[in-house]
Amino acid sequence: SQTIHQWPATLVQPVGSPLSLECTVEGTSNPNLYWYRQAAGRGLQLLFYSVGIGQISSEVPQNLSASRPQDRQFILSSKKLLLSDSGFYLCAWSVGFDGGELFFGEGSRLTVL
Amino acid sequence: RKEVEQDPGPFNVPEGATVAFNCTYSNSASQSFFWYRQDCRKEPKLLMSVYSSGNEDGRFTAQLNRASQYISLLIRDSKLSDSATYLCVVRAAGNKLTFGGGTRVLVKP
Repeated sequence: SQTIHQWPATLVQPVGSPLSLECTVEGTSNPNLYWYRQAAGRGLQLLFYSVGIGQISSEVPQNLSASRPQDRQFILSSKKLLLSDSGFYLCAWSVGFDGGELFFGEGSRLTVL
Repeated sequence: RKEVEQDPGPFNVPEGATVAFNCTYSNSASQSFFWYRQDCRKEPKLLMSVYSSGNEDGRFTAQLNRASQYISLLIRDSKLSDSATYLCVVRAAGNKLTFGGGTRVLVKP
């Protein structure tokens, strides 16, 4: 069966510090991978998606970046965090880009102080 | 206007009662519709897809109204465990999924 895991689950970072969130998927090959952010009381905002190794599409201009160094690994990074980067970050995968279900990781709750 | 809009609630529902809520979408070319459930501080999980003819899964019934561009979710015989935020998700052909802000449901004894 397929599983998705992301970490860390919770982190508190000072403004200006770097960020690295990691996500891995097991049990499937060449998944579509996504990074979403959910601000309090708001819908999920798609940040990045990837349809293959090294292929990254950015949806929202920001100081975040994503990388896919391996087929089932997706990393979200920032060189310098802003207060506005606080939120709940969710990694997800799907079989096809127009497929139905998204499978989400457990989420990473980031607080920037 | 937001692409996908939901009443944020909360809908306070007595245990055993029925609750229903809608989600409106702005893109008339939208083709796929889903309801996801999100428990507090957890990741969203697919509850059910919404088909043109409407569909039912146990106590949950989803409907699609293309003319008025909304989908609905009805929960019968509400359980305490139904307390969650329900996210409406819409996809237009070739596009990514667009999530609504969610409707919070609180089922009380």
